[in-house]
Formats: sequence, C-alpha cells, structure tokens
Amino acid sequence: AQKITQTQPGMFVQEKEAVTLDCTYDTSDPSYGLFWYKQPSSGEMIFLIYQGSYDQQNATEGRYSLNFQKARKSANLVISASQLGDSAMYFCAMREGFSGYSTLTFGKGTMLLVSP
Amino acid sequence: DTGVSQDPRHKITKRGQNVTFRCDPISEHNRLYWYRQTLGQGPEFLTYFQNEAQLEKSRLLSDRFSAERPKGSFSTLEIQRTEQGDSAMYLCASSPGTSGGGGTQYFGPGTRLTVL
Repeated sequence: AQKITQTQPGMFVQEKEAVTLDCTYDTSDPSYGLFWYKQPSSGEMIFLIYQGSYDQQNATEGRYSLNFQKARKSANLVISASQLGDSAMYFCAMREGFSGYSTLTFGKGTMLLVSP
Repeated sequence: DTGVSQDPRHKITKRGQNVTFRCDPISEHNRLYWYRQTLGQGPEFLTYFQNEAQLEKSRLLSDRFSAERPKGSFSTLEIQRTEQGDSAMYLCASSPGTSGGGGTQYFGPGTRLTVL
C-alpha cells in the first residue's frame, strides 16, 4: 500500500485565489511527521511546512497552512492568495518514528499551475 | 547561512562509465541523506549518514552504488558501471542532530544524471 497518496496529478488556479492540494498517508506508528516541499522546474526541493503527529494546532507558515485531520489521515496543503511563482510540483512526505531517524517517504506529487 | 550544495549539477555519461557526485551539507547538520528521483515520481531514499557513519542503505542501492562521508562533512555518491536505468536526479539533503522542527531535511539543487 502507498504510504503517501496524492490523488491530484495537476491543479489549476488563478492568481490571488486559494488552492488546496490533497495528501493522505498511511502509518501505524503513533509518532510521525508530515512535510510539504515545493519543486520548481530547476529541481531543488524547497521545504514549506511541517506538522507533527502530536501537534494540536494546524501548522502555518506565511501563505501556507496545513489542514491536518488525524482521524482521516489527511494533511492537505492550503496556499492562500496564489502567486505566479507558486507554479511548481508539490510533494507531500512523511517521516515515521521519532525525528532521530528521519528518512522521508514521498508521494508522487501534484503539479500546480497558477494563471494570471 | 549557505544551503546544501551539490556538484556537478548535470552529468552526461556513457553506459559502463563510473560517475561520482559530491554533496556539501549545511555546516552544522550532522545528518546527510541521498535520494533518487526519476521522472514523474517523488524522491526515493537511498542512504543516510549520521556524522561519518552510514546507518542505513535502501534496497535500491545496488552493489554498484557506494556512498561515503569520510570526515562527517561532505559526502560522495559513486555509481560504477552506469546503466541507462540510473538516469535520474540525485538529491542530497541534510538535517540537524536535534529533534526540533521534526528533523526537517533541507535539500540541495540535485545532480541530474543522463546515461547514454
């Protein structure tokens, strides 16, 4: 079974609108972390936001927020007020266990295109 | 604060040749990871170092692959007798030795390998 599932191969949004990128995960470990990365066409993976399994509140970083629904095992990324520079691939990733051992498992990604 | 750097950024080689990639992590990070990313997929874990010790290798890392981190600083990834299936983006990441931030990994720009 896939540990990280991103069901949207591509998403389109107009500039200044909000967009939600879906991510569901599968783990039996009570301690885990969820990450979102952005990968522009240049190839570098840029860290966006992190949510720990024990965190009570949804993580936020500027225009990025993570809608964490633990019972549903979902960790959707919300980008508010999209910008043209947000066009990129977005990957959801999970770390299982304590962060002392933190190999990441990635989903297949969602391509986001922001139009003027 | 400089980020993770990788060299070269691009490498084109002929099948059967050996190639070596270098990764310089963020200076205070003692954990270093190698991932491989093929077209249309998320990165896949290859191997992981804590300081100079290689603590885990993925089954993806065949015996043609070897990685080192001799002094716990930079790391090298060597592929011997390259095959066309080795064509991919090779990503290096580093993370600090503490659990703060969930062990967030910061990635370099990657080395894109093309095997002809």
